[in-house]
Amino acid sequence: GENVEQHPSTLSVQEGDSAVIKCTYSDSASNYFPWYKQELGKRPQLIIDIRSNVGEKKDQRIAVTLNKTAKHFSLHITETQPEDSAVYFCAARGLNTGNQFYFGTGTSLTVIP
Amino acid sequence: ETGVTQSPTHLIKTRGQQVTLRCSSQSGHNTVSWYQQALGQGPQFIFQYYREEENGRGNFPPRFSGLQFPNYSSELNVNALELDDSALYLCASSSPGRATNEQFFGPGTRLTVL
Repeated sequence: GENVEQHPSTLSVQEGDSAVIKCTYSDSASNYFPWYKQELGKRPQLIIDIRSNVGEKKDQRIAVTLNKTAKHFSLHITETQPEDSAVYFCAARGLNTGNQFYFGTGTSLTVIP
Repeated sequence: ETGVTQSPTHLIKTRGQQVTLRCSSQSGHNTVSWYQQALGQGPQFIFQYYREEENGRGNFPPRFSGLQFPNYSSELNVNALELDDSALYLCASSSPGRATNEQFFGPGTRLTVL
């Protein structure tokens, strides 16, 4: 099955700085890569996603890049704000795994005011 | 907020007992996936149901079983509960036939096994 690794596990940045979270995946047939934000005690919320036929996608302060050859994708948050503090999960969905989603272990982001 | 709902919100059981968790999918979604999220971990895929049939299973023992109903709602059953089953159980609904690939999570059921 798919194996998704995520780094770093914790990340602290000053307000206004950028944050980058990286993930790798093992199944070359994976074709969809969402990122979720989970606040304490709440459900994961989709914040951005990218399909395998696209190299980069941006939505305001959030961007995701995908390198299919290297099988890694990254989340970039610019101009971080305290409300960006949460746990972020990457995930991969692969055709070889029955369209099921496999998640990374999460990154706890703290934005220091 | 998504249209996915789960019940109950919290549950406390003892070892050896059985539990049933419920999930109502978002309107128009015919696929429900169940995940176990232990504290400080990412969601772990348990299984997926598509049109009332199991459509894939993660690395969980047979005492984890499920059902999907004609209205696409779903149940997760866990028999012979163990302490390590304590976790947040999330369901997510999606509709692979649509252009979007998104899955939408419910609020989860917090299960505590004593």
